[in-house]
Amino acid sequence: EDQVTQSPEALRLQEGESSSLNCSYTVSGLRGLFWYRQDPGKGPEFLFTLYSAGEEKEKERLKATLTKKESFLHITAPKPEDSATYLCAVQATSGTYKYIFGTGTRLKVLA
Amino acid sequence: DAGVTQSPTHLIKTRGQHVTLRCSPISGHKSVSWYQQVLGQGPQFIFQYYEKEERGRGNFPDRFSARQFPNYSSELNVNALLLGDSALYLCASSLDGQNYGYTFGSGTRLTVV
Repeated sequence: EDQVTQSPEALRLQEGESSSLNCSYTVSGLRGLFWYRQDPGKGPEFLFTLYSAGEEKEKERLKATLTKKESFLHITAPKPEDSATYLCAVQATSGTYKYIFGTGTRLKVLA
Repeated sequence: DAGVTQSPTHLIKTRGQHVTLRCSPISGHKSVSWYQQVLGQGPQFIFQYYEKEERGRGNFPDRFSARQFPNYSSELNVNALLLGDSALYLCASSLDGQNYGYTFGSGTRLTVV
């Protein structure tokens, strides 16, 4: 069964304290892995798409990487405005084209 | 350009009632998907539509139904509401739902009392 597991569930960082969020996945065939940011009461906001092992994407203080079994979202020198829930999702090559989401990592960056 | 728009933003219904949620995709997007997000969980797939045809359905009871119109907007209908249907309902649109990623709307917060 296709599955996505994110860790940690919650993370508190001091402003400027870099860290990484993990997304482990099991999927029959990977079409794409997606990272989204979600603020309370809002819809997920697209961050990155990764398609193959070894691929990396960067945007401001965020960098996403992909291996055959997991993805990492690295946050460098975070700011309080980076506080949000970060969701990881995979899309399989077979069957429907649905996204399978993890439960997310709730990030809180303290000033 | 307008993003994915959903209406209403919030609503409160009583157990046993019916509800219709509406979604307008980004202009030019032909695929719409619906997700249910319970508080503290990741979104769960309900339906995907492309060119007015149902392409996929998640593990939800028959009380849930949807359709896509010729202008690519979509409706999600839920009958015989249960307390457990309380959630954030998200609509997402994509050019084709397969080779292009999804953009999500802000959702409809449904509370069943």
